[in-house]
Amino acid sequence: EVQLVESGGGLVQPGGSLRLSCAASGFTFGFYAMSWVRQTPGKGLEWVSVINSGGGSVFYGDAVKGRFTISRDNSKSTLYLQMNNVRAEDAAVYFCAKGGHSWYAGFGNWGQGTLVAVSS
Amino acid sequence: DIQMTQSPSSLSASVGDRVTITCQATQDIRNYLNWYQQKPGKAPKVLIHDASNLETGVPSRFSGSGSGTDFTLTISSLQPEDVARYYCQQYDSLPYTFGQGTNLEIK
Repeated sequence: EVQLVESGGGLVQPGGSLRLSCAASGFTFGFYAMSWVRQTPGKGLEWVSVINSGGGSVFYGDAVKGRFTISRDNSKSTLYLQMNNVRAEDAAVYFCAKGGHSWYAGFGNWGQGTLVAVSS
Repeated sequence: DIQMTQSPSSLSASVGDRVTITCQATQDIRNYLNWYQQKPGKAPKVLIHDASNLETGVPSRFSGSGSGTDFTLTISSLQPEDVARYYCQQYDSLPYTFGQGTNLEIK
């Protein structure tokens, strides 16, 4: 059974940093692209970033480009999201999601999400 | 970026009704579209992949159709457990984008 378990969320001050993790199990992690998707009540679901299976290609949404960094450790079956210079509008539930073998795939499995709150 | 427009934004129907939700893309996305169901406090769950393929374990009352720019999710006979928010998502090109969602309630 595929399991994705996020951690690392919490309260962060504007301008601060936070690192989210997503521990994967139940599938060959290193064969799949992985994404982060966030959700706020007012904006629905917003894709944040994707990393390919090997970790050599990454893409970001415009809202986080230059501030967030996605990475992965295939030896640990873990996905990361380093969030720097956090803004109020980054407050959301962050989900990690399993993609496909290529970019042309949706999200077959999601974690339960981790909440990021932004406040001074 | 490809914009995804869902309609309606909310829907109320009776148990047993046939329900249809539509999703329109601003450009051709071939069949690179998923439908997700999200219940309160839970993560989204994929129902349909590649526009018309039912995910394993999803009840057969759910179906998807369409290609290019116009897509449809149909529930053939609405059940109480189908109360949820539904989203479409394209993966034809980056950035991946979602529709704004459709809230489905029981009348």
